Amino acid sequence: GAGVSQSPRYKVAKRGQDVALRCDPISGHVSLFWYQQALGQGPEFLTYFQNEAQLDKSGLPSDRFFAERPEGSVSTLKIQRTQQEDSAVYLCASSLGFPRGEQYFGPGTRLTVT
Amino acid sequence: AQSVTQLGSHVSVSEGALVLLRCNYSSSVPPYLFWYVQYPNQGLQLLLKYTSAATLVKGINGFEAEFKKSETSFHLTKPSAHMSDAAEYFCAVSEQGGSEKLVFGKGTKLTVNP
Repeated sequence: GAGVSQSPRYKVAKRGQDVALRCDPISGHVSLFWYQQALGQGPEFLTYFQNEAQLDKSGLPSDRFFAERPEGSVSTLKIQRTQQEDSAVYLCASSLGFPRGEQYFGPGTRLTVT
Repeated sequence: AQSVTQLGSHVSVSEGALVLLRCNYSSSVPPYLFWYVQYPNQGLQLLLKYTSAATLVKGINGFEAEFKKSETSFHLTKPSAHMSDAAEYFCAVSEQGGSEKLVFGKGTKLTVNP
């Protein structure tokens, strides 16, 4: 299928380790989003790219979180020095952009920090 | 700032009964409104969206929602529940003319009893 894919699907990290989460959007989608979903909660916005430009990173919880999309396609969310409170499902979504395009979500990466 | 309130974190209905999931939003500008469904260990799938055209929006799997500006509501309904409707449902809002980012409610888990 040609949906949004994310890898790895599951990641266990020891506290203090760095992790990198990958998102492959649907081909041709201009916009890419990262959301964080804590257990039992709705997704919360982290950051947003239009092509390679990061237009909004207001949702990143700390400077330990960093996202990039260097060629306007694949994106990586990096978390440095992971903490237990970083444990969550990280969802990636992509869309065609304006006019308001539907966001298509990947299956998510479940991060557990021990 | 935008926000979404979903009344009832858990809703239980019998198979064949009416499904009503409530969503109220707060937005200082005209909103776009969405309902997403999430099955266990999967990403979110769009059920329907309101983008300032018809106020009664029909979606997939027999679901529909009505935008009521005076009540700031966008409740989701389905006339007859099916066992396969059991899932978690999220209401979300984004700003017309603003960022594409979605602000989600906390979700409502729907249980369908045989």
